[in-house]
Amino acid sequence: AQSVAQPEDQVNVAEGNPLTVKCTYSVSGNPYLFWYVQYPNRGLQFLLKYITGDNLVKGSYGFEAEFNKSQTSFHLKKPSALVSDSALYFCAVRDIGDMRFGAGTRLTVKP
Amino acid sequence: DTAVSQTPKYLVTQMGNDKSIKCEQNLGHDTMYWYKQDSKKFLKIMFSYNNKELIINETVPNRFSPKSPDKAHLNLHINSLELGDSAVYFCASSRSTDYNSPLHFGNGTRLTVT
Repeated sequence: AQSVAQPEDQVNVAEGNPLTVKCTYSVSGNPYLFWYVQYPNRGLQFLLKYITGDNLVKGSYGFEAEFNKSQTSFHLKKPSALVSDSALYFCAVRDIGDMRFGAGTRLTVKP
Repeated sequence: DTAVSQTPKYLVTQMGNDKSIKCEQNLGHDTMYWYKQDSKKFLKIMFSYNNKELIINETVPNRFSPKSPDKAHLNLHINSLELGDSAVYFCASSRSTDYNSPLHFGNGTRLTVT
């Protein structure tokens, strides 16, 4: 079965610094990878996806993700973090019929 | 306009009771889902419906039963509630089961069983 792993429970960065939230995947066949963000007391919001094509995918709110086939990774990045980016971030992979999520990484951006 | 809406937002009930959570989507999507998020924020798929047919049924207790009167609605009925059912339940929808279709989530129903 397809799966993703997020090795970090927590990521802390200072406002204005670049941020990276890590994700690795395990799939058979072509990977269909997604990033979602969850703010407190809200549902998950779709940020971006990789299906095929360019390894650098751009998404909402200035986020981007880099697909690396050799390292089986799909890390989420942003050049300059904002305090308002503080949230829970989920990497996910599309399997037959449903979306399977990683355990989530809590991002805290400090002023 | 709320794309995926769930009611109620909070649900507090006692063990042994039966309760339902309603979900509606106005996106015209063909597939709807129920996910359970536990206290550690881990998300687990429970059910999905595509064109009113159940296409995934994970290993959840049969006390949980999804009901879909039409493709815009997927309600979750839970019988004989247990303490371990306490969690946040999210409804979601997608355009199809195609691999490139992202999910759109409701804001969740926080269920507390006492």
